[in-house]
Amino acid sequence: GENVEQHPSTLSVQEGDSAVIKCTYSDSASNYFPWYKQELGKGPQLIIDIRSNVGEKKDQRIAVTLNKTAKHFSLHITETQPEDSAVYFCAASIYTDKLIFGTGTRLQVFP
Amino acid sequence: DVKVTQSSRYLVKRTGEKVFLECVQDMDHENMFWYRQDPGLGLRLIYFSYDVKMKEKGDIPEGYSVSREKKERFSLILESASTNQTSMYLCASSRGGGSTNEKLFFGSGTQLSVL
Repeated sequence: GENVEQHPSTLSVQEGDSAVIKCTYSDSASNYFPWYKQELGKGPQLIIDIRSNVGEKKDQRIAVTLNKTAKHFSLHITETQPEDSAVYFCAASIYTDKLIFGTGTRLQVFP
Repeated sequence: DVKVTQSSRYLVKRTGEKVFLECVQDMDHENMFWYRQDPGLGLRLIYFSYDVKMKEKGDIPEGYSVSREKKERFSLILESASTNQTSMYLCASSRGGGSTNEKLFFGSGTQLSVL
């Protein structure tokens, strides 16, 4: 079955710097790659997603890139702010809503 | 916006007890999911349901069962709780109904401790 690996497990950046989180997936049939953000005491929330027919997608300060050949996708956050501090999860799925999640990245943004 | 409500934020149970975790969603979603979240392991799917009275095993169903008698409610049951089931449990829902790759809406989670 599908397996998703996520790196790094923790990431500390200075406010205003960029942050990059990387994920790889194993099943080349995967077609949907969402990113979820989990703040303390809350459930994960979708922040951005990308489908296999697109190479890059941006939404203000966040962007996701997909390399189908290498089977990896990345989350890029620019101009980080303290409120970006959270745990981020990547995920993959094959034409269903059944998501396989990565192990998570704890991002800390220091003022 | 969609609201997914989990009945308890914190729960403490004893080994061998039967435990019920309840989840209710208010947006008429077809799909409902139970995940467990453990440090370093991410979110792992226990069970999911695409329709009332329908259930499918996820990646780690052992020791768990589920019930979906009504569309809005999805219950996770630990038949005989064990210490290795101490974890954060997250319920989620998505629209379903033939559409795929839909956004999942999560509840705030239930932190279960089995002593």
